[in-house]
Amino acid sequence: AQSVTQLDSQVPVFEEAPVELRCNYSSSVSVYLFWYVQYPNQGLQLLLKYLSGSTLVESINGFEAEFNKSQTSFHLRKPSVHISDTAEYFCAVSFTGNQFYFGTGTSLTVIP
Amino acid sequence: NAGVTQTPKFQVLKTGQSMTLQCAQDMNHNSMYWYRQDPGMGLRLIYYSASEGTTDKGEVPNGYNVSRLNKREFSLRLESAAPSQTSVYFCASSEHGYEQYFGPGTRLTVT
Repeated sequence: AQSVTQLDSQVPVFEEAPVELRCNYSSSVSVYLFWYVQYPNQGLQLLLKYLSGSTLVESINGFEAEFNKSQTSFHLRKPSVHISDTAEYFCAVSFTGNQFYFGTGTSLTVIP
Repeated sequence: NAGVTQTPKFQVLKTGQSMTLQCAQDMNHNSMYWYRQDPGMGLRLIYYSASEGTTDKGEVPNGYNVSRLNKREFSLRLESAAPSQTSVYFCASSEHGYEQYFGPGTRLTVT
């Protein structure tokens, strides 16, 4: 069965410190990989995606994620977080092109 | 472009009542989805529609029905609401599985 695992449900981090949010998936086929961000009382917004090509993908607000096929991982990183990064982050995988599988989310709290 | 729109934003129902959640997208996407989000459980797929005229069950379809009215619209119906259906409901659309675009959500409370 396909699955997505986000290993940390809550991650507190001090402002300007680095952060890594972990995501692993189970699949033996090609995948598309995504990170979504959800701010309080809002819908999900795409943060970044891997479809093909370079395994390192970046967002416009300083986040990056690296697709590691051998470890079936797609961890999200940011070298220096801001208060405004406080949100829920979801990792998602698309295996067949029609269905998406989501992790249970990681709540990132940036501490002043 | 409005993207994905959902109505209503909030709804309170009594147990046994019925209602329909509406979703529309203006991006000409073939695929549309309904999810529910509950604390600590992430997003769970209720139903999806890969194209106009087709619908398929997701992970948690019991108690729900859907209609893909046309390419733009995908509605979710609760025939007899139960307290266990208290949740936030999100509609999404996509094309070829490249990424999903989400609506703002509907907060449903069943008392």
